[in-house]
Amino acid sequence: GAVVSQHPSRVICKSGTSVKIECRSLDFQATTMFWYRQFPKQSLMLMATSNEGSKATYEQGVEKDKFLINHASLTLSTLTVTSAHPEDSSFYICSARWGSSYEQYFGPGTRLTVT
Amino acid sequence: GDSVTQMEGPVTLSEEAFLTINCTYTATGYPSLFWYVQYPGEGLQLLLKATKADDKGSNKGFEATYRKETTSFHLEKGSVQVSDSAVYFCAPMEYGNKLVFGAGTILRVKS
Repeated sequence: GAVVSQHPSRVICKSGTSVKIECRSLDFQATTMFWYRQFPKQSLMLMATSNEGSKATYEQGVEKDKFLINHASLTLSTLTVTSAHPEDSSFYICSARWGSSYEQYFGPGTRLTVT
Repeated sequence: GDSVTQMEGPVTLSEEAFLTINCTYTATGYPSLFWYVQYPGEGLQLLLKATKADDKGSNKGFEATYRKETTSFHLEKGSVQVSDSAVYFCAPMEYGNKLVFGAGTILRVKS
């Protein structure tokens, strides 16, 4: 089946620094990638949708200058949390799909802790 | 936008017990409906889906029927196993292929 990886799986950074999370589709070309955020014991919240080669579309309330998304190739999307603060600590999950397929394939997630 | 109300967990069952996890949603129109499962330490996986009213999605012994009249998509399994222990998410897909996730229900199956 389709596999999506994320790197790193866990990251700890200091307040004010930036951190980059990678999402890769390993065996298919992802025309669309999604980034979610999950708080403890809560649902996944969609942050943004990115299509390869174009700017990401952010959901209402998500700061695009803080959460930079780049989808430069059909197999890689990156999420950069800029000037991170403790309230950005969360579990970030990406998913990917190709073409008009409805199914999204999810990565295992990245645990970000900002100290 | 769409929203989902999902049964609160954790749900703890003995092996071979019957499972029901309730899910109701609000949506404009008739979205496709999905159940995703997240096993410990893994990413979400599609468990089953239904794309129109009265459709029944099924996989690995799990079933869910798209009930338009009650806007529900309850997940059922006749006999759970320890290996079914996971977190289950109900998710309608709204316009633009965006999934709207419920809060997730933790299922724990004891042997």
